[in-house]
Amino acid sequence: DIQMTQSPSSLSATVGDRVTITCRASQTISTYLSWYQQKPGKAPKLLIYATSTLQSGVPSRFSGSGSGTDFTLTISSLQPEDFATYYCQQSYNTRFTFGLGTKVDIK
Amino acid sequence: QVQLQESGPGLVKPSETLSLSCNVSGGSMSNYQWSWLRQAPGKGLQWIGYVFYTGSTNYSPSLKSRVSISIDTSKSQFSLKLNSVTAADTAIYFCAAYDVIHGSFDPWGQGTLVTVSS
Repeated sequence: DIQMTQSPSSLSATVGDRVTITCRASQTISTYLSWYQQKPGKAPKLLIYATSTLQSGVPSRFSGSGSGTDFTLTISSLQPEDFATYYCQQSYNTRFTFGLGTKVDIK
Repeated sequence: QVQLQESGPGLVKPSETLSLSCNVSGGSMSNYQWSWLRQAPGKGLQWIGYVFYTGSTNYSPSLKSRVSISIDTSKSQFSLKLNSVTAADTAIYFCAAYDVIHGSFDPWGQGTLVTVSS
């Protein structure tokens, strides 16, 4: 299986901060990468697919980039509702795998 | 707008079979690969498998020997069976729609907690 490694596993930030989360694949996955946001007690919510395409309704402060094995999710100006856990997911092959998550909490 | 809702027992005994259903509303069942995923308490997300509207399936290699996913398009429903469960199968189980074009899971059901305990 393709292993997805996220870093950091957690971070503390302040409203207004620029936040960057990294996801690294154990082999090339082209741009077959999605990002999800999950809040406690809720299902994951799709933010970005195909590395950089924003899902409808997702604020433009979220952006994604990368290709091959290295990818990033950036929140340009952190808002109170963005404190959550973020997961990356590869769909390069149909044995879909996720990163272990990055928890963003309040500093 | 497609919506999904899981249903099934919240408690299953060890060695027995976990059975869940997911009701799909608001869309055609031919547009997605209907998936099950799970999340152990405090842990990350694990894909279990999917079923297409034709009935063809694809399962995670780590669970393949114990899992079966089926679909009933007449009822707009798909189902998960996981046999020989242990405490390690305790998790929140989510059903979700996998979009082949986007390569992503959206939307998701709200999730249902299944505890394996005697």
